[in-house]
Amino acid sequence: DAGVIQSPRHEVTEMGQEVTLRCKPISGHDYLFWYRQTMMRGLELLIYFNNNVPIDDSGMPEDRFSAKMPNASFSTLKIQPSEPRDSAVYFCASSFGSRDNEQFFGPGTRLTVL
Amino acid sequence: GENVEQHPSTLSVQEGDSAVIKCTYSDSASNYFPWYKQELGKRPQLIIDIRSNVGEKKDQRIAVTLNKTAKHFSLHITETQPEDSAVYFCAARSSASKIIFGSGTRLSIRP
Repeated sequence: DAGVIQSPRHEVTEMGQEVTLRCKPISGHDYLFWYRQTMMRGLELLIYFNNNVPIDDSGMPEDRFSAKMPNASFSTLKIQPSEPRDSAVYFCASSFGSRDNEQFFGPGTRLTVL
Repeated sequence: GENVEQHPSTLSVQEGDSAVIKCTYSDSASNYFPWYKQELGKRPQLIIDIRSNVGEKKDQRIAVTLNKTAKHFSLHITETQPEDSAVYFCAARSSASKIIFGSGTRLSIRP
């Protein structure tokens, strides 16, 4: 298995633009997590899905952020409109069978909003 | 609110010595405590975890201890090696089912 796949790996955009980050979890995994990592705030859980259903989105910072999981092999995190303070590394992770089983992280998307 | 505090934020030890990283959590109902290692520019990876029904778990040079009464848990790395240099994150799963991460400890191993 190729592991968790994220795209793009790097994204540079201007303030006000829409940004879409993509994630393909490990095949067969039924939990999917989106995290944001910054120097100031560390690693934060934004939202997680179980069997494609959002379970907890309380970490989503504001209405500009939205996440979807239309099927078991694909999820998106969208920021609209983007702001400079959204600059961070965004990780997607997946796990199998339980929230408590090992989460396998993707390589991350480094987002820079100018 | 739910919180995980991690200390120290940076740690430098001589190669071969032991390193200890400590975390405390606020939600007494937390029952799962993973530790992740993140090398520079790479993704976090699970190195060890512990559940609340045990007090200690060991895997080669790495051990984790849990004190539920005091609500703290620690990571111990013995016989440190250069490849142990990384940022280490503790985490706790709260009663609300969220995984909350500590702020990280940057461990440097001096040759």
